[in-house]
Amino acid sequence: GQNIDQPTEMTATEGAIVQINCTYQTSGFNGLFWYQQHAGEAPTFLSYNVLDGLEEKGRFSSFLSRSKGYSYLLLKELQMKDSASYLCAVRGTSGGATNKLIFGTGTLLAVQP
Amino acid sequence: DVKVTQSSRYLVKRTGEKVFLECVQDMDHENMFWYRQDPGLGLRLIYFSYDVKMKEKGDIPEGYSVSREKKERFSLILESASTNQTSMYLCASGLRNEQFFGPGTRLTVL
Repeated sequence: GQNIDQPTEMTATEGAIVQINCTYQTSGFNGLFWYQQHAGEAPTFLSYNVLDGLEEKGRFSSFLSRSKGYSYLLLKELQMKDSASYLCAVRGTSGGATNKLIFGTGTLLAVQP
Repeated sequence: DVKVTQSSRYLVKRTGEKVFLECVQDMDHENMFWYRQDPGLGLRLIYFSYDVKMKEKGDIPEGYSVSREKKERFSLILESASTNQTSMYLCASGLRNEQFFGPGTRLTVL
């Protein structure tokens, strides 16, 4: 089967660092994505990993370990505007689709003053 | 600037009605997708299309159909709306390594 697990909710303090974990079991692997979704809005793309290691983009970094079926999103210097849901998604290799993603249920992050 | 638009932000329909949700992208993407998003279930793929007139079922196609007559437009059709189709519907269009989402349509079926 196909399964993506991430924590339902997290709380962190403004200015701190938070790590959101994602584990996956999918039919093949062809990339892992992180999206941010503010309440009532559409998801927006944050990062993409296909090889093992860390990808850094400003205050956000994403890590991938394919052998462990594991990724994390690291948010540094947290700001109040980072309060949102963070969605982990995996692109498998089945189904013949060129870009079909399987999404986790999302982690709702609350940043407190 | 990248743009995916959906025909309505909010829609209220009655059980048994035929419902059309329209999505238009201006990025010349070949891939387009329809998802629904429900609390605790996340984003689930209903249908996708990788070319004009081509379509493939996603994970939850039952009760839905789609149409892609032009590259920029991908329509989701509920042939006979039911209350369990009350949800947020998100359209996306995509490159190989990124999908761009529309603002969503919150559909309520009474």
